[in-house]
Amino acid sequence: NAGVTQTPKFRILKIGQSMTLQCTQDMNHNYMYWYRQDPGMGLKLIYYSVGAGITDKGEVPNGYNVSRSTTEDFPLRLELAAPSQTSVYFCASSSGTDTQYFGPGTRLTVL
Amino acid sequence: KNQVEQSPQSLIILEGKNCTLQCNYTVSPFSNLRWYKQDTGRGPVSLTIMTFSENTKSNGRYTATLDADTKQSSLHITASQLSDSASYICVVSAVDSSYKLIFGSGTRLLVRP
Repeated sequence: NAGVTQTPKFRILKIGQSMTLQCTQDMNHNYMYWYRQDPGMGLKLIYYSVGAGITDKGEVPNGYNVSRSTTEDFPLRLELAAPSQTSVYFCASSSGTDTQYFGPGTRLTVL
Repeated sequence: KNQVEQSPQSLIILEGKNCTLQCNYTVSPFSNLRWYKQDTGRGPVSLTIMTFSENTKSNGRYTATLDADTKQSSLHITASQLSDSASYICVVSAVDSSYKLIFGSGTRLLVRP
């Protein structure tokens, strides 16, 4: 079991560029989440999904989009990167309200 | 507004010593409280989870307490080891959205030899 995997580990973007952060889990969890973690702050929920084909906004969804076509994958799309999106992004999964398992994170810098 | 506040922000202790980290929350209606450990450059890993009816839960050298009346929790680390150096994050969820977690900003613990 690899758990939750994320790619890439690091990325530098220029303002206005777009990219997709990949997230895959092999635990057959229905629930998946995207968070961002800014320095000295708690994790903030960007988007979440309770199953394939179902997604919903979290606390800070502006500037991001998601899709959930399979149980395993939950990619996060940044369309027009802005410096405010410089952060560490974590994907997580869970079976309902149980423990959330986190991936290793993607460190994104927008210059 | 649902909030989770942790103290201290950072802490330095000597190897072998004990320490206690604090968490206060205003989340209502309360569902459960979790403590996570986050090593530098890694994702958070769950240590304990407590519901309203539980007031103590242990995981090895980690013991979490919960006082739902005062909305306070603590994480006690016994006989600290160098590998305990990490951020410890208190996370609370509400009954009406128990999979949407509210994260504290964490306590950064450094254990020195």
